Amino acid sequence: GQQVMQIPQYQHVQEGEDFTTYCNSSTTLSNIQWYKQRPGGHPVFLIQLVKSGEVKKQKRLTFQFGEAKKNSSLHITATQTTDVGTYFCAGPSNFGNEKLTFGTGTRLTIIP
Amino acid sequence: KAGVTQTPRYLIKTRGQQVTLSCSPISGHRSVSWYQQTPGQGLQFLFEYFSETQRNKGNFPGRFSGRQFSNSRSEMNVSTLELGDSALYLCASSLAVNEQFFGPGTRLTVL
Repeated sequence: GQQVMQIPQYQHVQEGEDFTTYCNSSTTLSNIQWYKQRPGGHPVFLIQLVKSGEVKKQKRLTFQFGEAKKNSSLHITATQTTDVGTYFCAGPSNFGNEKLTFGTGTRLTIIP
Repeated sequence: KAGVTQTPRYLIKTRGQQVTLSCSPISGHRSVSWYQQTPGQGLQFLFEYFSETQRNKGNFPGRFSGRQFSNSRSEMNVSTLELGDSALYLCASSLAVNEQFFGPGTRLTVL
């Protein structure tokens, strides 16, 4: 079945440093979604990318969808303590009534 | 608009028992998905319901079942509970297979 891996699994950064998490799918995705889960909370939708090579920005967050639509990345510039949490990518495995497969997640810890 | 609600929020059961969890989606959302989240396995897809029909199913044993009612509310049931079923069970609603709105989850502990 489809597998979606994320690296790194954990990342500890000093406040103000940049952070990047990478997402790789074993199959082509029709779209890629990113979610953030704060400690003790539930996943919250951040963004969806649909087009090959698409890049979207949300303030300090930059999201990319690979040309082959099998990988994606999330980059945070100048991290803040509010960025703490686990970041998940997720993608539908096939076109049509596909189910969403979540990546393994990257847990970000900020050192003040 | 009210968000996704799940009841109960916390549950403690013993091995062999069965449990039913409930989810009320955002008004107008007809798709409801269930996920199991554990520290070791991450977010695992259980099943998705759309207009009272199971549209997709994950790789879980038959002890895990669900249903959706005509008002889009959904329930999931786990029979013959095992220790390994201890997890956070998340429900998410959506208009289609895109942005998922998650509920706060039900924390199930099996003793």
